[in-house]
Amino acid sequence: NAGVTQTPKFQVLKTGQSMTLQCAQDMNHEYMSWYRQDPGMGLRLIHYSVGAGITDQGEVPNGYNVSRSTTEDFPLRLLSAAPSQTSVYFCASSSVSTEAFFGQGTRLTVV
Amino acid sequence: GQQLNQSPQSMFIQEGEDVSMNCTSSSIFNTWLWYKQDPGEGPVLLIALYKAGELTSNGRLTAQFGITRKDSFLNISASIPSDVGIYFCAGQLRSYGQNFVFGPGTRLSVLP
Repeated sequence: NAGVTQTPKFQVLKTGQSMTLQCAQDMNHEYMSWYRQDPGMGLRLIHYSVGAGITDQGEVPNGYNVSRSTTEDFPLRLLSAAPSQTSVYFCASSSVSTEAFFGQGTRLTVV
Repeated sequence: GQQLNQSPQSMFIQEGEDVSMNCTSSSIFNTWLWYKQDPGEGPVLLIALYKAGELTSNGRLTAQFGITRKDSFLNISASIPSDVGIYFCAGQLRSYGQNFVFGPGTRLSVLP
């Protein structure tokens, strides 16, 4: 059982470039979320989804887009990367009866 | 937005010592979770608490859901080197959306 899989694990972008962070889960969870982790600030919610076709903004959504076309996948898109988006990104999934399961993270550096 | 406070921010302890950390909020939660994060990995759940006053153990770990529903603590007994990591508390705001609010973490170092 793979759980939550994130790709890539590391990425370096130039300012203004775009990219998509991939997240897939094989637990048939309804809920999926994206968090960013910065030193001393814990995990902050970027966007989340309660099911295929339904997404909503979290605490820090600016600069990021998401979509949820299938239950399994929840990609996070950076349209025009900025140095302030340098962070570690975690995808999580859960269901009504479970806690959040996290992927291993994507370490993104924007130069 | 909602915020959780965790204390201490970091701690250095000797192997074999007991550890206590806590998490407080100005808001009420209906679920408290404690996660541990190892370097280069995602957070992994240690203990989940679902009822005010609940005291739950998982091996050497014990956690409690505060009566006021605004706080929780985590104790680790007889610490070992593999306890090193960052410990996060998380409160669940509501069932719909499964939104969790995370504390800033407590960084634990265990000295041999």
